[in-house]
Amino acid sequence: NAGVTQTPKFRILKIGQSMTLQCAQDMNHNYMYWYRQDPGMGLKLIYYSVGAGITDKGEVPNGYNVSRSTTEDFPLRLELAAPSQTSVYFCASSPRGLDIQYFGAGTRLSVL
Amino acid sequence: SQKIEQNSEALNIQEGKTATLTCNYTNYSPAYLQWYRQDPGRGPVFLLLIRENEKEKRKERLKVTFDTTLKQSLFHITASQPADSATYLCALDNSPETGANNLFFGTGTRLTVIP
Repeated sequence: NAGVTQTPKFRILKIGQSMTLQCAQDMNHNYMYWYRQDPGMGLKLIYYSVGAGITDKGEVPNGYNVSRSTTEDFPLRLELAAPSQTSVYFCASSPRGLDIQYFGAGTRLSVL
Repeated sequence: SQKIEQNSEALNIQEGKTATLTCNYTNYSPAYLQWYRQDPGRGPVFLLLIRENEKEKRKERLKVTFDTTLKQSLFHITASQPADSATYLCALDNSPETGANNLFFGTGTRLTVIP
């Protein structure tokens, strides 16, 4: 039972580099989410998707982009990485809105 | 402004005692409130969900209450064990106001159960 799988687990980027954080779920959930978690702060929603082809901004979308071409995958793209994007990123999925969310193990990203 | 406040960053209790964690919110109108557990280096794991028309929910040693008048949820762990040591997050929506199905998370309370 894989659930929500995130890759990579760790990554160090230089300022200005780009990368894609991968997220896949095998539960056939319609809803998928990307959060970031900074020390001492709660999870902040970056982007979410209610189904393939449909995405929307969360609280902190600046500097990020997403796409949802399949039900299973929801990659998060960082363009022109900045030190302020140093954080732990979590992907989650749920069968419906306002339902239980299932989280991946996270990607720890440092931008130096 | 909107706020979700969880009592003290850290809470230490003796094994066997009841731990009570608080979640207070301002300028939200949640239809649901959820509690998650997060261990170091891991993603949050769902524990309990309570709806606005429910006063109390129980699951084994866990109990959650939801008071929409006080704008507060209490999360209780009875007969606490060292294995209960973790950070506990509350999360709520604001869907009656916005129509959006997003969750907003508190900063969490780090619970340590001392043997």
